[in-house]
Amino acid sequence: EVQLVESGGDLVQPGGSLRLSCGASGFTFNNYAMTWVRQAPGKGLEWVSAISGSGGYTYYVDSVKGRFTISRDNSKNTLYLQMNSLRAEDTAVYYCAKNVATGIAFYHYWGQGTLVTVSS
Amino acid sequence: EIVLTQSPGTLSLSPGERATLSCRASQSVSSSSLGWYQQKPGQAPRLLIYGASSRATGIPDSFSGSGSGTDFTLTISRLEPEDFAVYYCQHFDSASVAFGGGTKVEIK
Repeated sequence: EVQLVESGGDLVQPGGSLRLSCGASGFTFNNYAMTWVRQAPGKGLEWVSAISGSGGYTYYVDSVKGRFTISRDNSKNTLYLQMNSLRAEDTAVYYCAKNVATGIAFYHYWGQGTLVTVSS
Repeated sequence: EIVLTQSPGTLSLSPGERATLSCRASQSVSSSSLGWYQQKPGQAPRLLIYGASSRATGIPDSFSGSGSGTDFTLTISRLEPEDFAVYYCQHFDSASVAFGGGTKVEIK
């Protein structure tokens, strides 16, 4: 059974940093691209970042470029999102999601989400 | 950059009725890159439709997707109580992903 479990969400001050983790199980982790999607309170879904199975390719939404870094440790079956220079508008539930297949960015497995609150 | 516009914002219907949700892309997109998700309060989204018209595993045949070019539709043929939720369309290309703003299907 595929499982994705996020952790690391917290209350952080503007300008601060946070690292999110997503532990994966139930599938061959390094065979799949992985993605972070966020949802601000009461708002819609926003794609944040994605990484290829090998970790060699990364992609970001413009609003987080230069501030967020996606990475993965395939030996630990874990996906990360390092978030720096956090802003109030980064407040959201952050979901990790598994791509259906290489080159196909549909998401059939999602974690439960972890809440990041940026506030003073 | 593709922008997806969903309409209506809210759809008020009764159980048993048919729901028709629209997703319009800012430019023509490949049908193979268009999908639909359902999200209930406090839950992660669930993939319903991929490739514009293919149902994901375990999705009942009351859900169907159609469309091409810039206009796509999700149809729920007969609303069950558990179908009242928010629905999002999604598109991907080689370097980015876009979600529509969502349509809330609420009980009338």
